[in-house]
Amino acid sequence: GAVVSQHPSRVICKSGTSVKIECRSLDFQATTMFWYRQFPKQSLMLMATSNEGSKATYEQGVEKDKFLINHASLTLSTLTVTSAHPEDSSFYICSAPGLAYNEQFFGPGTRLTVL
Amino acid sequence: EDQVTQSPEALRLQEGESSSLNCSYTVSGLRGLFWYRQDPGKGPEFLFTLYSAGEEKEKERLKATLTKKESFLHITAPKPEDSATYLCAVLLNRDDKIIFGKGTRLHILP
Repeated sequence: GAVVSQHPSRVICKSGTSVKIECRSLDFQATTMFWYRQFPKQSLMLMATSNEGSKATYEQGVEKDKFLINHASLTLSTLTVTSAHPEDSSFYICSAPGLAYNEQFFGPGTRLTVL
Repeated sequence: EDQVTQSPEALRLQEGESSSLNCSYTVSGLRGLFWYRQDPGKGPEFLFTLYSAGEEKEKERLKATLTKKESFLHITAPKPEDSATYLCAVLLNRDDKIIFGKGTRLHILP
């Protein structure tokens, strides 16, 4: 199956700093990518839909000025957590659809810890 | 409101003890239903996509089935390496969004 990578896999930062997470589709192009966050023992919650060449679409309750998304190319989407706070600590996962959305390929996730 | 509910939340089985995980859904329009496996600290690993009631798919010890209201993931003679969280998700017709259930944490005892 197709491979989606994320970088970094783990990041620890101080409160008030910004953190950028990259999501790459390695062997296929993705005009759309999805960003999720997952708290311990909870399911994945969709944060936003990243669209190549246009603005991201955010889910209700997700602050677009705090979670900046840039889909710069057909293989790269980035999520920047601005002015991070401890409550932003979570597991962030991206995904990209396969052909006709029959499959969704997920990245390995990024563990963010804000001190 | 579109909802996906998985049960049980957690399940402990002895090695070789077959069982089923349930995923019930209430959505406005179903395009497809996914099953994923997720190991701790990792992203979900795709298992199956089901599209219509009556459809079944198999992979090794896993078999997924779909009705108009729910899906089952049957695990036959499980092994300890099958221990993981199994996630069910639905793909909606209207906007390509995927809604996840909370998952079932499966633990197979040797």
